[in-house]
Amino acid sequence: EAGVAQSPRYKIIEKRQSVAFWCNPISGHATLYWYQQILGQGPKLLIQFQNNGVVDDSQLPKDRFSAERLKGVDSTLKIQPAKLEDSAVYLCASSPGLSYTEAFFGQGTRLTVV
Amino acid sequence: AQSVTQLDSQVPVFEEAPVELRCNYSSSVSVYLFWYVQYPNQGLQLLLKYLSGSTLVKGINGFEAEFNKSQTSFHLRKPSVHISDTAEYFCAVSQAGTALIFGKGTTLSVSS
Repeated sequence: EAGVAQSPRYKIIEKRQSVAFWCNPISGHATLYWYQQILGQGPKLLIQFQNNGVVDDSQLPKDRFSAERLKGVDSTLKIQPAKLEDSAVYLCASSPGLSYTEAFFGQGTRLTVV
Repeated sequence: AQSVTQLDSQVPVFEEAPVELRCNYSSSVSVYLFWYVQYPNQGLQLLLKYLSGSTLVKGINGFEAEFNKSQTSFHLRKPSVHISDTAEYFCAVSQAGTALIFGKGTTLSVSS
């Protein structure tokens, strides 16, 4: 079974530029998560989708971050404009459904904002 | 609100020694508890989870953890570590239908 796929693996941009990350969850998984992991910290939830609906986006900085999962499968996370403090690893995870306790993680996208 | 505190940011040990990584949680309701491992430049991999039932949970790679409700703890243990266990370990908590909330992580460094 293929795991959670993320691209790109690495991205370097200048501050005030825009960037987008892509995630393809495990086939059939209804729940998709985006986490931000700043160096030296644990992952922090940005947004949780159930199919193509948002379950929780309370920690998403909506003035600059946006995410979509239009067809309930793959998802895109965008930052516009980026700030230096956005430098982090962005992890995508999926699970079969809300009642399923375990999340399966992709390898992440490492973003460096200079 | 739920939260997780990992009591040690770094744990250095020698190969074949036992190790314990400490995790405390706070929650006003029943929770699920997890330990994940992260190797350099990799995503997170589940080591073990506690949902209900027996308080001693066994996971992959010889790790185990004990759920202690009265102490609100979920400490991770391994009786004999290997060099390959060097990694970042994260304790996490969730409730049914909610996303995982992670601690800040513990860096386990195993040397020979």
